[in-house]
Amino acid sequence: ILNVEQSPQSLHVQEGDSTNFTCSFPSSNFYALHWYRWETAKSPEALFVMTLNGDEKKKGRISATLNTKEGYSYLYIKGSQPEDSATYLCAFRASNYQLIWGAGTKLIIKP
Amino acid sequence: KAGVTQTPRYLIKTRGQQVTLSCSPISGHRSVSWYQQTPGQGLQFLFEYFSETQRNKGNFPGRFSGRQFSNSRSEMNVSTLELGDSALYLCASSSNVQEPTEAFFGQGTRLTVV
Repeated sequence: ILNVEQSPQSLHVQEGDSTNFTCSFPSSNFYALHWYRWETAKSPEALFVMTLNGDEKKKGRISATLNTKEGYSYLYIKGSQPEDSATYLCAFRASNYQLIWGAGTKLIIKP
Repeated sequence: KAGVTQTPRYLIKTRGQQVTLSCSPISGHRSVSWYQQTPGQGLQFLFEYFSETQRNKGNFPGRFSGRQFSNSRSEMNVSTLELGDSALYLCASSSNVQEPTEAFFGQGTRLTVV
């Protein structure tokens, strides 16, 4: 059974601090890894689509890295702001197109 | 470009009834996937359609079914509704499931079963 784990489940970070969290996924049959941000009362919004081992993507203060050989991806947020408060979801797409979502990391930024 | 449109936005049904939810993807998108979100739970994957064919299916009972039409619009049906089916149902579209493109989500349909 393919499984995607995200840790930690929730995280409280002081405004201005940097933070990171993890998405662990199967190291075989990899096709793509997706990161989404889900703010309360809104729909999930795509952050990154990552396909190559060693990939590093960046969007403003948010960046992500990918290690397909060991099956993990890190999401980094630099200088956290209140608007970064959201649940961050990752989704693993296998080579047979099966799509498995993690349960998310809930990030709360304290002013 | 219009986003993903889900109708209706809110729905109240009684136990035992059936319900059909609709999702119109972004123009040109051929892949539609459906999700259930209940309080305290993450996104639970229901199924994914590409070019009118179900490509993937999550672990939901057979009461949950879906289909996709030739114009890529998709419907999801839940029969014999149970109280536990009360949830936010989201659909997402992407341009081509054969390439790892991002998915765009609709606003969701909030279903309440009483």
